[in-house]
Amino acid sequence: KNQVEQSPQSLIILEGKNCTLQCNYTVSPFSNLRWYKQDTGRGPVSLTIMTFSENTKSNGRYTATLDADTKQSSLHITASQLSDSASYICVVSDGNKLVFGAGTILRVKS
Amino acid sequence: GAGVSQSPSNKVTEKGKDVELRCDPISGHTALYWYRQRLGQGLEFLIYFQGNSAPDKSGLPSDRFSAERTGESVSTLTIQRTQQEDSAVYLCASSLKAIGWDQTYEQYFGPGTRLTVT
Repeated sequence: KNQVEQSPQSLIILEGKNCTLQCNYTVSPFSNLRWYKQDTGRGPVSLTIMTFSENTKSNGRYTATLDADTKQSSLHITASQLSDSASYICVVSDGNKLVFGAGTILRVKS
Repeated sequence: GAGVSQSPSNKVTEKGKDVELRCDPISGHTALYWYRQRLGQGLEFLIYFQGNSAPDKSGLPSDRFSAERTGESVSTLTIQRTQQEDSAVYLCASSLKAIGWDQTYEQYFGPGTRLTVT
């Protein structure tokens, strides 16, 4: 049973364009939600962590939003760069462990 | 300082053999986590250590899998009698303290060990 669903599974955009990745979760109880970036052949790297009381957090060109009522989060990437090509993983903590989504594979092309 | 390191980076083994995967966490990090990532799938939690003890082994898929940690530092994940379905990337992560309610400690991941069982 997958408690963290991400969409789309994959996405191709042109360099310089914006994009938004979606995450829906059913994990309960909810402690915090994280977005990670995973480059091919590397371990995931944290982008943002949001608790229940936070509904937006930015890290450079990455902006994450959280709606704890609808159990949805999004990751918005502004002015994409070739180096943004990676898998983006949504992760939800229930206070004891992290539950990982399958990720959205983003490819930015020139 | 150095990040999380894992060795080997790649391991090819024959079905039925035992393998040991090693993780060196960031110095001073008391919590250490093992995950498995199958191709095209999300990370699966296997086990975590707080210090040298493992409070949660719930993710270990079978009794062929075991892990230990010594000196609140290095950890080894051992898979006995490997099967083809064990083929995956095994990721290790460490954090200053263990995940807990209202705690947002960052997890820092190693590059992983790609295990292929033939």
